Amino acid sequence: GQNIDQPTEMTATEGAIVQINCTYQTSGFNGLFWYQQHAGEAPTFLSYNVLDGLEEKGRFSSFLSRSKGYSYLLLKELQMKDSASYLCAVIYSGAGSYQLTFGKGTKLSVIP
Amino acid sequence: DVKVTQSSRYLVKRTGEKVFLECVQDMDHENMFWYRQDPGLGLRLIYFSYDVKMKEKGDIPEGYSVSREKKERFSLILESTSTNQTSMYLCASRSRQRNQPQHFGDGTRLSIL
Repeated sequence: GQNIDQPTEMTATEGAIVQINCTYQTSGFNGLFWYQQHAGEAPTFLSYNVLDGLEEKGRFSSFLSRSKGYSYLLLKELQMKDSASYLCAVIYSGAGSYQLTFGKGTKLSVIP
Repeated sequence: DVKVTQSSRYLVKRTGEKVFLECVQDMDHENMFWYRQDPGLGLRLIYFSYDVKMKEKGDIPEGYSVSREKKERFSLILESTSTNQTSMYLCASRSRQRNQPQHFGDGTRLSIL
């Protein structure tokens, strides 16, 4: 089976940097996605990593280590609007196609 | 931009009623998905479909069925609703390529009284 772990909640201060970790155990690994979900809204795509290393997109960066089954999402210069849940999702090959398994999400609260 | 449209944003039904949740995507995606999302439990996959007429059970299919008669449309059916089916229902679609993300609809908040 597939297993993904993320912290349930985190709190950080406006303007600071926060790192949200995700660990996974999966077979047929084919990449890892990060999504952002504001309360009452649908998840929206942030990043995709399939190779080891850091991918940077503006204030957001995502890191992957396949050997360690580990990823993190790094948010810099935090803004109040970054308060949201962040979902880690692993894509793996199985049952004739690619499938995604989502972690339960990390609720990030940004405080002034 | 990919557009995934769910038929209702909010729905209130009584126990025992039959409910149809409709989802339409406009990007010719092969894969479509139905999830429910509950506090503390995250996104749980109910059913998915790889192509027209095809369907596969997800992690929690009990009490649900689906229909995919056309590529752009994926329907979730609750044959006889119960209060434990009160939840947020999210539809998603994606192409077959591994690096392509799922695109979600805005969700349907279903309340069963």
